[in-house]
Amino acid sequence: DQQVKQNSPSLSVQEGRISILNCDYTNSMFDYFLWYKKYPAEGPTFLISISSIKDKNEDGRFTVFLNKSAKHLSLHIVPSQPGDSAVYFCAVSISNFGNEKLTFGTGTRLTIIP
Amino acid sequence: KAGVTQTPRYLIKTRGQQVTLSCSPISGHRSVSWYQQTPGQGLQFLFEYFSETQRNKGNFPGRFSGRQFSNSRSEMNVSTLELGDSALYLCASSSPDASTDTQYFGPGTRLTVL
Repeated sequence: DQQVKQNSPSLSVQEGRISILNCDYTNSMFDYFLWYKKYPAEGPTFLISISSIKDKNEDGRFTVFLNKSAKHLSLHIVPSQPGDSAVYFCAVSISNFGNEKLTFGTGTRLTIIP
Repeated sequence: KAGVTQTPRYLIKTRGQQVTLSCSPISGHRSVSWYQQTPGQGLQFLFEYFSETQRNKGNFPGRFSGRQFSNSRSEMNVSTLELGDSALYLCASSSPDASTDTQYFGPGTRLTVL
């Protein structure tokens, strides 16, 4: 059973608009959340993270929102640029005694339309 | 459908030994990718196999090798183990539908090199 779900396999957004990628998790023990970006033929690269003590973390055009009660994570990209076209994975972990095992969602392919 | 399975789940080896990890993709998936996950380096791409052929390769030394069988099961081999090879090794399988790039991750094999 998938502990981390990204229910939208793909998303298309006009350049300059906001892209919103969503992620839901099932285990309330998860307390560290990350987003990875993946280009074709490359491995995922880290994008942004948030710990459970916060509900928002911002880095330039990227903002991650955490709703612990809903067990929901989202990534906002504003404004969207063509180079943002990639597959985005959310990942979650339980930061317990240094255990950083990540559990990944299945990914959402974002396409930015010029 | 059964998810991606990896065996063994845990492994302890000593320096200089070699190890073989196994990954069974979701039925019908022909692409299998391997990743190394460490606290310091995050998630790093090792290689991808598709229809028994290595299609992409990350930046790892030749000690890391893999193969894929006709039933899409894949194995990863690491020879002459080093302490730094201690990591969680993840495999992920993808659907033949290239339009979504959805990847399903297995639970991983935790390798400890002493």
